[in-house]
Amino acid sequence: SSELTQDPAVSVALGQTVRITCQGDSLRSYYASWYQQKPGQAPVLVIYGKNNRPSGIPDRFSGSSSGNTASLTITGAQAEDEADYYCNSRDSSGNHLGLFGGGTKLTVL
Amino acid sequence: EVQLVESGGGLVKPGGSLRLSCAASGFTFSSYSMNWVRQAPGKGLEWVSSISGSSSYIHYADSVKGRFTISRDNAKNSLYLQMNSLRAEDTAVYYCAREPAPYYDILTGYNYYYMDVWGKGTTVTVSS
Repeated sequence: SSELTQDPAVSVALGQTVRITCQGDSLRSYYASWYQQKPGQAPVLVIYGKNNRPSGIPDRFSGSSSGNTASLTITGAQAEDEADYYCNSRDSSGNHLGLFGGGTKLTVL
Repeated sequence: EVQLVESGGGLVKPGGSLRLSCAASGFTFSSYSMNWVRQAPGKGLEWVSSISGSSSYIHYADSVKGRFTISRDNAKNSLYLQMNSLRAEDTAVYYCAREPAPYYDILTGYNYYYMDVWGKGTTVTVSS
């Protein structure tokens, strides 16, 4: 498969834990990276590899992977975490980062 | 400060052409692969094209192959996207994004690939 599948929308109560998932065959060979995008803003890298956070990303963001599924977990979600989240992976050729999931809109209640 | 600034967007008629630019600063531009990623209004992210640091490796999404050309000028720290035969469905915000060399995790034995810096984007509207 040359697709990454995400749930379109997920909600979480303030301070609770939420998991956003991404499925695709490419994830059996490559770890996903995760991007947060708030309205009117550019995407921001939040997780890459097995569970690596760029500088400045809070440690409530974590990543995991099993089989063909990658997950982004937010432990203790904050109001400012409300955003769209996209997973990304190398495509089946392994030549480029050509696969994006359709995105998950996270609502913090 | 590491920064990417896109420019060149605008309104163009179907069948027309446009050249986007991405000015890089704050890092050694030639050491990084670069990508163009677009986002149609109200839609998700779509990868468009990538180019290696030395321009040796270039790839395109099927949706733009044969119409778009990616290039870079390392002396000018600039990335370009020449867009020809534009269609309404090319209407989008176009982002340039930096891709570091793969990070090798000795614990997992895997390379990690990702885009770590993004510009704010430039808007392309294709309409008659």
